[in-house]
Amino acid sequence: QKEVEQDPGPLSVPEGAIVSLNCTYSNSAFQYFMWYRQYSRKGPELLMYTYSSGNKEDGRFTAQVDKSSKYISLFIRDSQPSDSATYLCAMGDSSASKIIFGSGTRLSIRP
Amino acid sequence: DVKVTQSSRYLVKRTGEKVFLECVQDMDHENMFWYRQDPGLGLRLIYFSYDVKMKEKGDIPEGYSVSREKKERFSLILESASTNQTSMYLCASSEAPGVTQYFGPGTRLLVL
Repeated sequence: QKEVEQDPGPLSVPEGAIVSLNCTYSNSAFQYFMWYRQYSRKGPELLMYTYSSGNKEDGRFTAQVDKSSKYISLFIRDSQPSDSATYLCAMGDSSASKIIFGSGTRLSIRP
Repeated sequence: DVKVTQSSRYLVKRTGEKVFLECVQDMDHENMFWYRQDPGLGLRLIYFSYDVKMKEKGDIPEGYSVSREKKERFSLILESASTNQTSMYLCASSEAPGVTQYFGPGTRLLVL
């Protein structure tokens, strides 16, 4: 079993829809939870990060962490074609030697 | 803003050549990382460094070496490039190993 599981997609939704991207994990020591956006042929760009449980909102993006269920989500409201990218979840803890990435979900927003 | 830069966006090399990929970060981060990214395989950690002149093997270090002579600079070296090293190479840096990492734009390497 992988430490971090992420549905690879592809996920295709119409413009304006609410998008939900999810990851599950097995290591209860994880405290830092990140979402990266990666456009084709570019490096991953940090979109949001959260420490421990709870929600964090930034514009149209909301990151949610449920440590009891070992489940994290990224919600995109009013999705735009420019949101079309691969979204990677990642997680770690301060005592770890590295962070663990999900395999990424390809998202396509149809105009 | 954190800035991580990589020396080349695209490189074409021949089998057997020695290849240097350079990465520079401007945030005074202790930790730097080299990954490769391939379709269907995700991000795989090659090497990381938690201090100047210190390095640790990641998950796939074979065929690679690294150098960290200065805190802001981390180099990945392919001693003798092979076609199976054709990939996207990504550098990242962070304040601590298990927390948020910031990535460079990537180098797409083609080995012929």
